[in-house]
Amino acid sequence: AQSVTQLGSHVSVSEGALVLLRCNYSSSVPPYLFWYVQYPNQGLQLLLKYTSAATLVKGINGFEAEFKKSETSFHLTKPSAHMSDAAEYFCAVTTSGSARQLTFGSGTQLTVLP
Amino acid sequence: DSGVTQTPKHLITATGQRVTLRCSPRSGDLSVYWYQQSLDQGLQFLIQYYNGEERAKGNILERFSAQQFPDLHSELNLSSLELGDSALYFCASRGQGPTGELFFGEGSRLTVL
Repeated sequence: AQSVTQLGSHVSVSEGALVLLRCNYSSSVPPYLFWYVQYPNQGLQLLLKYTSAATLVKGINGFEAEFKKSETSFHLTKPSAHMSDAAEYFCAVTTSGSARQLTFGSGTQLTVLP
Repeated sequence: DSGVTQTPKHLITATGQRVTLRCSPRSGDLSVYWYQQSLDQGLQFLIQYYNGEERAKGNILERFSAQQFPDLHSELNLSSLELGDSALYFCASRGQGPTGELFFGEGSRLTVL
């Protein structure tokens, strides 16, 4: 079985500050990990993915995430927050043997303060 | 634009009624997934189809059913609706690559009154 835990359902940062959204996973086999973003009244958009190549993954809009096997983590970061980053962010995990079902975390709502 | 199309975008209906949500996957994608998003349950996987066949079932109620047609579009049927069925229903299709990322439609917002 696979699962994802996102620490912090709400995170607030000031514009220009570092964004750090935490994700820990549980998987008995090597995982594929994803971060998705959901803007209000929209579907989920893929930000980035980890596919067992490089452990530091760069995504769209300046976001990146680092896969740390020893910590079973896949935290999402952005050096400088922008007002347009305000959205809900979901971490997700799948494995090759799971019919490619994505298991999602409960989401983190990011607020960017002016 | 993900390339996944869902209709209708909004739907308001009454308890006890039945509705059908429709999804067209990205061109070339054979897999369709249905997810339900609600405030209290988060994103829940409902069901997956691959090239017309059911592949996996998640937390789908017996009152709900789905199918995928030969042209690969899919329909999610929700019957005997209850207030608690009010949610966003997402369809997603899976890319052909090995990593299996999903591409989501914009969702169908169902309100049951």
